Amino acid sequence: GAGVSQSPRYKVAKRGQDVALRCDPISGHVSLFWYQQALGQGPEFLTYFQNEAQLDKSGLPSDRFFAERPEGSVSTLKIQRTQQEDSAVYLCASSLDRGGNSPLHFGNGTRLTVT
Amino acid sequence: QQPVQSPQAVILREGEDAVINCSSSKALYSVHWYRQKHGEAPVFLMILLKGGEQKGHDKISASFNEKKQQSSLYLTASQLSYSGTYFCGTENSYDYKLSFGAGTTVTVRA
Repeated sequence: GAGVSQSPRYKVAKRGQDVALRCDPISGHVSLFWYQQALGQGPEFLTYFQNEAQLDKSGLPSDRFFAERPEGSVSTLKIQRTQQEDSAVYLCASSLDRGGNSPLHFGNGTRLTVT
Repeated sequence: QQPVQSPQAVILREGEDAVINCSSSKALYSVHWYRQKHGEAPVFLMILLKGGEQKGHDKISASFNEKKQQSSLYLTASQLSYSGTYFCGTENSYDYKLSFGAGTTVTVRA
């Protein structure tokens, strides 16, 4: 079966541009997470959805970051007016149940470079 | 609250053993272990849900000491395929959110 799919794989944006990153989770997975991974670091939590409900967005760095999952499947992470410090790999993960009880299945990520 | 992993890096020859530690300043509900190879997605290894529980995956096993708020990952008789960066993810309360450590880079040489 298909795993978690993210697109684009790579994105180069000029400072100030808006970007949209897409995540297709594994079909039937209730939970969806977005993480940000800087070079040489572990993934840092951004936000969490249970079906279409965004239950936690405490990790979003600023109000320039916005995530949605309107129909409880595909999710989009949008970054407005990108800054250089936004450069990182953005990982999406889904799990069958809530995160603590179920393995997270990660996508390959979108590497965002802001120039 | 991010867990602390140690060591940061370890170099092994094939067949050698290693231990990676993960500790939290808060009480742990669950601990996950993942391995990430360069440029790839983190891949799930195992979950530990109960204090003192040990789980195994081939020659990779882990323990969870709830009282000490720690987990350890054991690489036994390492193989070249074990190379990668290992992350522990901890859940500090029943809130579904995993916080990951900075990772331990394991290099296994022939």
